[in-house]
Amino acid sequence: DAGVIQSPRHEVTEMGQEVTLRCKPISGHDYLFWYRQTMMRGLELLIYFNNNVPIDDSGMPEDRFSAKMPNASFSTLKIQPSEPRDSAVYFCASSFSLQGGDGYTFGSGTRLTVV
Amino acid sequence: GQNIDQPTEMTATEGAIVQINCTYQTSGFNGLFWYQQHAGEAPTFLSYNVLDGLEEKGRFSSFLSRSKGYSYLLLKELQMKDSASYLCAVIGRRSGAGSYQLTFGKGTKLSVIP
Repeated sequence: DAGVIQSPRHEVTEMGQEVTLRCKPISGHDYLFWYRQTMMRGLELLIYFNNNVPIDDSGMPEDRFSAKMPNASFSTLKIQPSEPRDSAVYFCASSFSLQGGDGYTFGSGTRLTVV
Repeated sequence: GQNIDQPTEMTATEGAIVQINCTYQTSGFNGLFWYQQHAGEAPTFLSYNVLDGLEEKGRFSSFLSRSKGYSYLLLKELQMKDSASYLCAVIGRRSGAGSYQLTFGKGTKLSVIP
């Protein structure tokens, strides 16, 4: 298996522009998570899906952020409009279960810079 | 809410043993994880504890005491490649009636020196 695949690896955009991050989870994993990592706040859970259905989006910062999972093999995280404070590394992760002993598998992340 | 505390940085010598502590507070505790993250890379799963006691996996061991809200990661025979951040993470409820989620501590940056 190729693991969790994220694109793009790096994104530099201007304030106010729309940004779309993409994720392909591991086949067979029922859970998909979007995390954001910054030096100040560490890894924060933004939203997670179970069988393509959003379960908890309480970590989404504000209405500028939205996430979709149209099918079991694809998810997007969209920021519109983007702001400099959104600059961070965004990780997608997937797993068989929420609290399974095998842990979550993370993608390589998207490093977003908003200027 | 949830709170996870671990030291910010530690330094240890190659070949030695180091213990990284983690204390946590959460509703509905349902498991504790340790992840390793090298600079510029994704976190990778190291260990999982849900019952009290020690879990050993090669050079790495993890301990859990649920009554004390305490865990540690023990790394033996340290190697230079063990220089990384080590993240403690807990499955629990964000609030009393909320959904379960995996919440991470801010990580402990371990530097292994010759």
